[in-house]
Amino acid sequence: EVQLVESGGGLVQPGGSLRLSCAASGFTFSSYSMNWVRQAPGKGLEWVSYISSSSSTIYYADSVKGRFTISRDNAKNLLYLQMNSLRAEDTAVYYCVHGYSLDSWGQGSLVTVSS
Amino acid sequence: DVVMTQSPLSLPVTLGQPASISCRSSQSLVYSDGNTYLNWFQQRPGQSPRRLIYKVSNRDSGVPDRFSGSGSGTDFTLKISRVEAEDVGVYYCMQDIHWPRTFGQGTKLEVK
Repeated sequence: EVQLVESGGGLVQPGGSLRLSCAASGFTFSSYSMNWVRQAPGKGLEWVSYISSSSSTIYYADSVKGRFTISRDNAKNLLYLQMNSLRAEDTAVYYCVHGYSLDSWGQGSLVTVSS
Repeated sequence: DVVMTQSPLSLPVTLGQPASISCRSSQSLVYSDGNTYLNWFQQRPGQSPRRLIYKVSNRDSGVPDRFSGSGSGTDFTLKISRVEAEDVGVYYCMQDIHWPRTFGQGTKLEVK
């Protein structure tokens, strides 16, 4: 069974940085692409970023391009999202999501950007 | 970007009655391999989203057969044959053929 556990969320000031981690288990992590998807409070889902299994292909939403960096450590079964220059509009629950077609989701990690 | 438009945005349904949600894309979701890449997700209150249906009509493991997906090209439908209490939540369609991936606005299903 796919298990995804996000960590690293919290309160950060505008302009600050935060790194989210996602610990994966229950599948061969190095064989699957991964995504980050976010959901602002009371709002819908917004895809944020994608990384292929070997990290050779990476995509970002325009709203985070140049500020966020997705990466992974296949030896440690970890997915990351480095978030810099954070804005109030980045406040959301961030989900780590397995697979090309988003078939399994973590429980989410809340990031709050506020002074 | 591909715009995904769902309707209705609010769907009050009596238990045991059918429900239907429409999703339209601004571009074709048919890939060169012949498959159509449209997914449906369910988000129950207080929970993470869960994929219900992939490639238009394929149910994920554990999804009750009262859920069905249909459609082609740019016009898609999620149907629930008989709504149960556990079906309350928000339903999203999402395309996974074009980058960036895009979701519909969500349809909130509630019991009358």
